[in-house]
Amino acid sequence: AQTVTQSQPEMSVQEAETVTLSCTYDTSESDYYLFWYKQPPSRQMILVIRQEAYKQQNATENRFSVNFQKAAKSFSLKISDSQLGDAAMYFCAPGQGGSEKLVFGKGTKLTVNP
Amino acid sequence: EAGVVQSPRYKIIEKKQPVAFWCNPISGHNTLYWYLQNLGQGPELLIRYENEEAVDDSQLPKDRFSAERLKGVDSTLKIQPAELGDSAVYLCASSFRGGDEQFFGPGTRLTVL
Repeated sequence: AQTVTQSQPEMSVQEAETVTLSCTYDTSESDYYLFWYKQPPSRQMILVIRQEAYKQQNATENRFSVNFQKAAKSFSLKISDSQLGDAAMYFCAPGQGGSEKLVFGKGTKLTVNP
Repeated sequence: EAGVVQSPRYKIIEKKQPVAFWCNPISGHNTLYWYLQNLGQGPELLIRYENEEAVDDSQLPKDRFSAERLKGVDSTLKIQPAELGDSAVYLCASSFRGGDEQFFGPGTRLTVL
């Protein structure tokens, strides 16, 4: 079974600073998608960013970017210019079986300090 | 565009009672997912539908859990009888097709007393 490790249960960052959340995973597949989802206290999971494993270029979405190292099976999320609204649980979710099934990590709780 | 709708948002029941959760996916989304999220954990897939067909129900505890997606639109997840360990958040998600971005509903928080 695929495993996903988010080694930082909690992280904190000062407003306007940069923070990086780590994620490693185990897969035998060669082509898949990877996702970062955000879950604020309201519980609604929201997609932050998506990366296609066959693409060498790291995905970027405004203040959010990833560092995808396919060989190392690492998929970290960088949040630049952190805002109070970024405070949430962040889940890493690599796809399995053609990305039709997502396997979620345990999450990292991000606190943004004013 | 309306998002994924789930009801109820909260449910409190006594153990051994039945309970049902309802999900209405985004219009046009063929793939529907039910997830279980325990406190402090990431979501775990229970069942995935492609239209009205359950294509992955390997993680669904079939002795007490059942699901249906009649006409390939709305879906219902049922637990009968509920146990204390079923207390969790049940999330529904949908996507246009398997592998695409999944859009999640707000979830149903179940408490079994």
